[in-house]
Amino acid sequence: DTEVTQTPKHLVMGMTNKKSLKCEQHMGHRAMYWYKQKAKKPPELMFVYSYEKLSINESVPSRFSPECPNSSLLNLHLHALQPEDSALYLCASSRRSRSSKDTEAFFGQGTRLTVV
Amino acid sequence: QKEVEQNSGPLSVPEGAIASLNCTYSDRGSQSFFWYRQYSGKSPELIMFIYSNGDKEDGRFTAQLNKASQYVSLLIRDSQPSDSATYLCAVIRGNYGQNFVFGPGTRLSVLP
Repeated sequence: DTEVTQTPKHLVMGMTNKKSLKCEQHMGHRAMYWYKQKAKKPPELMFVYSYEKLSINESVPSRFSPECPNSSLLNLHLHALQPEDSALYLCASSRRSRSSKDTEAFFGQGTRLTVV
Repeated sequence: QKEVEQNSGPLSVPEGAIASLNCTYSDRGSQSFFWYRQYSGKSPELIMFIYSNGDKEDGRFTAQLNKASQYVSLLIRDSQPSDSATYLCAVIRGNYGQNFVFGPGTRLSVLP
């Protein structure tokens, strides 16, 4: 089972709304990621959680707030977004090991976010 | 210099031919290399990973790694129209950690 589940699949929100994206995996992976992908561009790393602790924040604006309540769940809280934040938001997970091997990442199907 | 570079394509090959996709990276400390396939509107799907110099084969796919040249490639034999997609090269920054960096992707079109 290499499934990463993201909800919702589609989300339309206004610039004053607060919403959350959810991600879940049951593969025992201890590293989880949020990526943002604009059309015809590669995924851009936003955040990495390792053993439920935030390990990488790629200078993401504070209107994006990640949360990792346990080893299987990852949330991305959204507040006061701008239209340019419209994109596909991808969650991924991977095993966490001391060596860089065995670290292939598996992606969820993504949430297509539109900010109006 | 970008961390991971790929030809954006499109790369067009006839059905049954070999498609060759190339990727270069700038961080000499990188140890782990991945190829993902992404269909339009879908999420990336892992095809291959390679850690050691040389070739690694899996079905119709062969990944090749040359760390001295900082070069990794993906060969697709007997290309099928269903292989038409964007192929993303990904590298983990440095030799430790979870920081995946993606190249811009190469769009492959396999013509029937």
